[in-house]
Amino acid sequence: GAVVSQHPSWVICKSGTSVKIECRSLDFQATTMFWYRQFPKQSLMLMATSNEGSKATYEQGVEKDKFLINHASLTLSTLTVTSAHPEDSSFYICSANPREEQYFGPGTRLTVT
Amino acid sequence: GDSVTQMEGPVTLSEEAFLTINCTYTATGYPSLFWYVQYPGEGLQLLLKATKADDKGSNKGFEATYRKETTSFHLEKGSVQVSDSAVYFCALLIRGAQKLVFGQGTRLTINP
Repeated sequence: GAVVSQHPSWVICKSGTSVKIECRSLDFQATTMFWYRQFPKQSLMLMATSNEGSKATYEQGVEKDKFLINHASLTLSTLTVTSAHPEDSSFYICSANPREEQYFGPGTRLTVT
Repeated sequence: GDSVTQMEGPVTLSEEAFLTINCTYTATGYPSLFWYVQYPGEGLQLLLKATKADDKGSNKGFEATYRKETTSFHLEKGSVQVSDSAVYFCALLIRGAQKLVFGQGTRLTINP
């Protein structure tokens, strides 16, 4: 099956700083990737759809200036949490679907202190 | 709109018990249906899928049948193991769309 990786797997940062999370498709090209956020003991919330070479599409209620998405190549999408605050602490997961099946990255746990 | 409803958890069973996690959906199109599993601290893994009515997806002893008449895709396993403890998500994908719609997840704990 297709492999999606994320880096880092966990990160701790101070309030007010920015954090970048990478999502890579290792054995396929992905023109579209998805970013999800998962709160403890809750389901996944789709944040945005990342489109290679164009602007991301954000879901309603997600601040695009807060969560910057860049999809600069067919194998890499990045999510930057700008001016992070403790309420941004969460588990962030990316996915891609080379066929009619989505493959998920292992997730990145962000803790903002 | 499209939505998925799962039985609320948490679900706690003893090892070798029979498992059913209910999942029903509403969809404007003709969806493919999925079950994903999330082990503690990890991302989601596809457990099984079905792409059309009456299809049965199966993997690792788990099964689910796509029932169009009842708009359901219930997950079953005849004899659960401690290693099956995880959160299970039912999801749908509309043909031609790319976004998955997830249920709220069901946390399963299996006691030895």
